[in-house]
Amino acid sequence: EVQLVESGGGLVQPGGSLRLSCATSGFAFTTYDMHWVRQGPGKGLEWVSTITATNDKYYTDSLRGRFTISRDNAKNSFYLQMTNLRAGDTAVYFCARDYFGLDYWGQGTLVTVSS
Amino acid sequence: EIVMTQSPATLSVSPGERATLSCRASRRVSSNLAWYQQQRPGQAPRLLIYGASTRVTGVPARFSGGGSGTEFILTISSLQSEDFAVYYCQQYDNWPRTFGQGTKVEIK
Repeated sequence: EVQLVESGGGLVQPGGSLRLSCATSGFAFTTYDMHWVRQGPGKGLEWVSTITATNDKYYTDSLRGRFTISRDNAKNSFYLQMTNLRAGDTAVYFCARDYFGLDYWGQGTLVTVSS
Repeated sequence: EIVMTQSPATLSVSPGERATLSCRASRRVSSNLAWYQQQRPGQAPRLLIYGASTRVTGVPARFSGGGSGTEFILTISSLQSEDFAVYYCQQYDNWPRTFGQGTKVEIK
């Protein structure tokens, strides 16, 4: 069974940092591109970042420079390092697997940026 | 960046009726278009359609997708109670990947 489980969310002050993790199981992780998608309160889905199977990295323009995506194939996991967080980064962050669209998703982890 | 525009923002439909949702891309995306259903905000979306018209295994046949290039449609042929949700399109032809703003299908 394919599973994706996010962790690392929480309350952080503006300007702070957080590292989100997505632990995966049930599929050949090394062969898949993996994504982070977020949803702010009352908002739609926003694609955040992708790391490909070949370790290429892509980011939404507004976040490049503050967020860094990485993967650890030995742990079947990937990560999102978020720095200089702002109130507008408050959202549920989902990790997802790419297979002609995002076919499996985690349950989401809530990041709240507030003083 | 390719902008995805969905219409309408809200669609009021009676159970058993047909719903037609539209998604327009600001540039051609070939058939690299997916549709998702989200039952509640903050809940993980569900992939329904990929390749603009290919239904994911297990998705009921009442869901169908069509279109290519810049114009796409998701049709729900006979709405069931569990279909009242928000639907998003997403292009995966270019970086950055982009979602539409969503169409809420509500009970009339």
